[in-house]
Amino acid sequence: GAGVSQSPSNKVTEKGKDVELRCDPISGHTALYWYRQRLGQGLEFLIYFQGNSAPDKSGLPSDRFSAERTGESVSTLTIQRTQQEDSAVYLCASSFQGANSPLHFGNGTRLTVT
Amino acid sequence: AQSVAQPEDQVNVAEGNPLTVKCTYSVSGNPYLFWYVQYPNRGLQFLLKYITGDNLVKGSYGFEAEFNKSQTSFHLKKPSALVSDSALYFCAVHNNAGNMLTFGGGTRLMVKP
Repeated sequence: GAGVSQSPSNKVTEKGKDVELRCDPISGHTALYWYRQRLGQGLEFLIYFQGNSAPDKSGLPSDRFSAERTGESVSTLTIQRTQQEDSAVYLCASSFQGANSPLHFGNGTRLTVT
Repeated sequence: AQSVAQPEDQVNVAEGNPLTVKCTYSVSGNPYLFWYVQYPNRGLQFLLKYITGDNLVKGSYGFEAEFNKSQTSFHLKKPSALVSDSALYFCAVHNNAGNMLTFGGGTRLMVKP
């Protein structure tokens, strides 16, 4: 079946502009995660959704970052007034509920802020 | 707070030799441990997990990992490395009550012919 789909795959934007990143999880997956991966570095947790509620927003780096999810479907990550340090690959993952369920990752959105 | 350490940024091994990629963790409660692999220009893929039971778990592509509770480690192993195993490997931990899967910094595995 279809995997996790993220769009766009690449985004180049000017500093100060807003961007919206989209994630379509695997159908039936109630849990959805956003991570950030800077070049050559590990994964930085941003936010977790269970259904359309976000019980853990602890990883969002600033109030410029926000995310929402519609039901148990599409999620969008919005970055307002982008800065150069926001440049990274933004990864979305989904899974069935439960800590023992493996995450299924999308291919990510590569964001470049010029 | 839970954490994962991968002490080696890079591991080099010759094709055909055994490989080990190290991982140690810190978590309250019983850990759920995972290994993921990231091939160049591709997303992360699940390799294997430890939830409970046998300390040696087997996963995809011939990889296995050994859970050691006393050493809080979950090292990834393969008896005979392939050039195609060259990739970035991530260890991750989840406690059985939390929401967040915490990843280590990653280890780049380079397998030379």
